[in-house]
Amino acid sequence: ETGVTQTPRHLVMGMTNKKSLKCEQHLGHNAMYWYKQSAKKPLELMFVYSLEERVENNSVPSRFSPECPNSSHLFLHLHTLQPEDSALYLCASSPFLGNQPQHFGDGTRLSIL
Amino acid sequence: KNEVEQSPQNLTAQEGEFITINCSYSVGISALHWLQQHPGGGIVSLFMLSSGKKKHGRLIATINIQEKHSSLHITASHPRDSAVYICAVKGGSNYKLTFGKGTLLTVNP
Repeated sequence: ETGVTQTPRHLVMGMTNKKSLKCEQHLGHNAMYWYKQSAKKPLELMFVYSLEERVENNSVPSRFSPECPNSSHLFLHLHTLQPEDSALYLCASSPFLGNQPQHFGDGTRLSIL
Repeated sequence: KNEVEQSPQNLTAQEGEFITINCSYSVGISALHWLQQHPGGGIVSLFMLSSGKKKHGRLIATINIQEKHSSLHITASHPRDSAVYICAVKGGSNYKLTFGKGTLLTVNP
């Protein structure tokens, strides 16, 4: 039990579909992160939320849309994705932005047909 | 921009061997993290350090700030240690982590 839960674990979708990834943390953390991990590449930071405010949008295409309704939940809404968007999407949280270790979920393995 | 290089990229060992994974970075940092990623995808934070050495069970992490280098050691390796080990650094006042590509460790029985 990592304290950070991501659903679904696996997702296959067509390029015209709309889907959402969900992340939930029960650690009382105030910062949440979305990362993308492609094969043979380092983790890439996509979005950061602190106290439900977005503080980072790391040049991510608009077909990815994050939402943070409260400090425990983070969503990544997907629409009209491209095949190169197939990757493992990881959510993480930390007590605050800064030096604390981040706690990661198990990720959602996304495949775009 | 901070570059993080890990070596080796792949490492195969026999059970019981002493393992060393290296991480080098290019600019000053405030903290370095070692992470473990199992085949299922989940990532676990092993260490966060800014100087010296930390030990947890069979795992030891060291950092040399002057040489911009860190090592992760595993003593008496076991097949359950098989995973990808990732080094990540945080610079200055920035909250962002820069990640290495990871080292795939396979420990055979």
